[in-house]
Amino acid sequence: GENVEQHPSTLSVQEGDSAVIKCTYSDSASNYFPWYKQELGKGPQLIIDIRSNVGEKKDQRIAVTLNKTAKHFSLHITETQPEDSAVYFCAANGQNFVFGPGTRLSVLP
Amino acid sequence: NAGVMQNPRHLVRRRGQEARLRCSPMKGHSHVYWYRQLPEEGLKFMVYLQKENIIDESGMPKERFSAEFPKEGPSILRIQQVVRGDSAAYFCASSPPISSPNTEAFFGQGTRLTVV
Repeated sequence: GENVEQHPSTLSVQEGDSAVIKCTYSDSASNYFPWYKQELGKGPQLIIDIRSNVGEKKDQRIAVTLNKTAKHFSLHITETQPEDSAVYFCAANGQNFVFGPGTRLSVLP
Repeated sequence: NAGVMQNPRHLVRRRGQEARLRCSPMKGHSHVYWYRQLPEEGLKFMVYLQKENIIDESGMPKERFSAEFPKEGPSILRIQQVVRGDSAAYFCASSPPISSPNTEAFFGQGTRLTVV
């Protein structure tokens, strides 16, 4: 089955800097890769996703890139703000949605 | 268009009791996933269902746990004879079929189960 790895597990950046989170997956049949943001005490919120027929997608300060050959995809957040602090999860659609272990992002003012 | 609704938000059960967690998917979504999350940990897949059918239950413990998604009404995750180790947040997500070109999964706010 699908296996998703995610790095780093924790990430601290200064406000205004960029943050990058990387994920790898194992199942070459996976073709949809969403990213979720989870704030304390809340459910995961879908923030951006990418499908296998494109290599990059951008939505304001967040972007996702996909390298199908290498089986990895990344989340890029530019001009980080304190409200970006949360746990971020990547996922891939194998037989079901398999999640990475999460990255705790702290944006320091 | 209401989002994924889970209830109750918080549930306290004594050891040995039964816990029933409910999930109503978004309108138009035919598939439901259940995940378990321990504090400071990730989302562990439990079960994937469509109406009246379990598609993948590879993440469900073999005993005491069951799930259903009837033709009418919400999906139910049932935990019998709860133990302290069952204390966790249980999240439900819904989506169109995973293979469909417009698959997006949205999560509910979760049910936080505490076993005392």
